[in-house]
Amino acid sequence: SQTIHQWPATLVQPVGSPLSLECTVEGTSNPNLYWYRQAAGRGLQLLFYSVGIGQISSEVPQNLSASRPQDRQFILSSKKLLLSDSGFYLCAWRHLRTGGDEQYFGPGTRLTVT
Amino acid sequence: AQTVTQSQPEMSVQEAETVTLSCTYDTSESDYYLFWYKQPPSRQMILVIRQEAYKQQNATENRFSVNFQKAAKSFSLKISDSQLGDAAMYFCAYRSAWVRRSGTYKYIFGTGTRLKVLA
Repeated sequence: SQTIHQWPATLVQPVGSPLSLECTVEGTSNPNLYWYRQAAGRGLQLLFYSVGIGQISSEVPQNLSASRPQDRQFILSSKKLLLSDSGFYLCAWRHLRTGGDEQYFGPGTRLTVT
Repeated sequence: AQTVTQSQPEMSVQEAETVTLSCTYDTSESDYYLFWYKQPPSRQMILVIRQEAYKQQNATENRFSVNFQKAAKSFSLKISDSQLGDAAMYFCAYRSAWVRRSGTYKYIFGTGTRLKVLA
């Protein structure tokens, strides 16, 4: 069965520090992967998505970036964090099957920028 | 650009009663999917129900059903016989048509409705 992992689960970082959040998927190949940020009162905001290694589409070109170094690995990064980067970050994998099309989500990373 | 609007930040329902959560969306596309996701306190997102835009019949999953009004661009979720375990944040989501430049689909989420179930 397919499983999606996110690391770390919780992170507290000072303003101006770098960021690296990791998402890995098991049990499937060539997955479509997505990064979302969930801030209070704003729902899930789509940040980046990727269909394969090195292929990144950006929805929100802030101070965040994403990379797909391996087929089942998706990384969210920042060179210098802002207070506004605080939030809950979710990675999702798109599952296409007969009769359905849906996303499965990882457990998330709670980021607090201080 | 597509948008998804959930106008009810919070709703309450008595246990065993029925509640309806509202969702409207805006799009010019004809090929899309709509979803309702549940996010309990654990924050793990769980798919509740899915509706393909080309299907006129409303989707149903046990106690959960939708009222899909395509012309009105409305997609409400009805929860029957509410249970304490239904208490969660509920998100309405829209899957776009194929995005040629990226080679996949985009998913747009609403801001969510927090559902409280009263014992």
